[in-house]
Amino acid sequence: AQKITQTQPGMFVQEKEAVTLDCTYDTSDPSYGLFWYKQPSSGEMIFLIYQGSYDQQNATEGRYSLNFQKARKSANLVISASQLGDSAMYFCAMREGLGSSYKLIFGSGTRLLVRP
Amino acid sequence: AAGVIQSPRHLIKEKRETATLKCYPIPRHDTVYWYQQGPGQDPQFLISFYEKMQSDKGSIPDRFSAQQFSDYHSELNMSSLELGDSALYFCASSLRERGGRETQYFGPGTRLLVL
Repeated sequence: AQKITQTQPGMFVQEKEAVTLDCTYDTSDPSYGLFWYKQPSSGEMIFLIYQGSYDQQNATEGRYSLNFQKARKSANLVISASQLGDSAMYFCAMREGLGSSYKLIFGSGTRLLVRP
Repeated sequence: AAGVIQSPRHLIKEKRETATLKCYPIPRHDTVYWYQQGPGQDPQFLISFYEKMQSDKGSIPDRFSAQQFSDYHSELNMSSLELGDSALYFCASSLRERGGRETQYFGPGTRLLVL
C-alpha cells in the first residue's frame, strides 16, 4: 500500500488566492513526522513545513500552513495568497518512528501552477 | 545560512563508466542521506549515514557504494553505470534531535546523464 498519497497530479490557482494541496498517509507507527517540500523547475528541494504526530497544533510557516487531521491521516498543505513564484512541484513526505531509520518516504507530488 | 553543497552539479557518463558524487552537509549536521529522483518520479531513499556510520540502506544497487568521512562529507560511488541510472541525485543533511523532530535539508542535486 502507498505510504503517502497525493491525489492531485496538477492544480491551478489564481494569483493571490489560497490553495490546498492534499496529502494522506498510512502508518501504524504512533510516532511519525510529516513534511512538505517544494521543487521548482530548477530542481532543488526546498523544505517548507513540518508536523509531528504528537503536535497539538497545526504547523504554520509564513504563508504555509498544514491542516493536520490525525484521525483521517491527512496532512494537507495550505498556501495563502499565492504568488507566481509558488509555481512548482510540491511533495508530501513522511518519516516513521524514532528508530535508526529517519529516511523520508515521498508522495508522487502535485504540480501547482499559479495564474497571473 | 550555509546550505548543503553537492558536486558536480551536472555529470555526463557513458555506460559502464564510474561516477563519484560528493556531498558537503550543513556545518554541525551529523546525518547525511542520499536520494535518487528519476525523471517525473518522487525521490527514492538510497542510503544514510549517522556520525560516519551507515544507519540505513534503501533501494541502492550493489553497484553503488557510499561512505561518510571524518569531516562528515559523503561520497556516492557508482560503478558500471547503466542508462537507468540517469537521474537527479540528492544529498540531504540533518541534525539528530530528541523526539525525532529533525528536518532534512536538501542540496541542489547532481544531475547524472548516462549515455
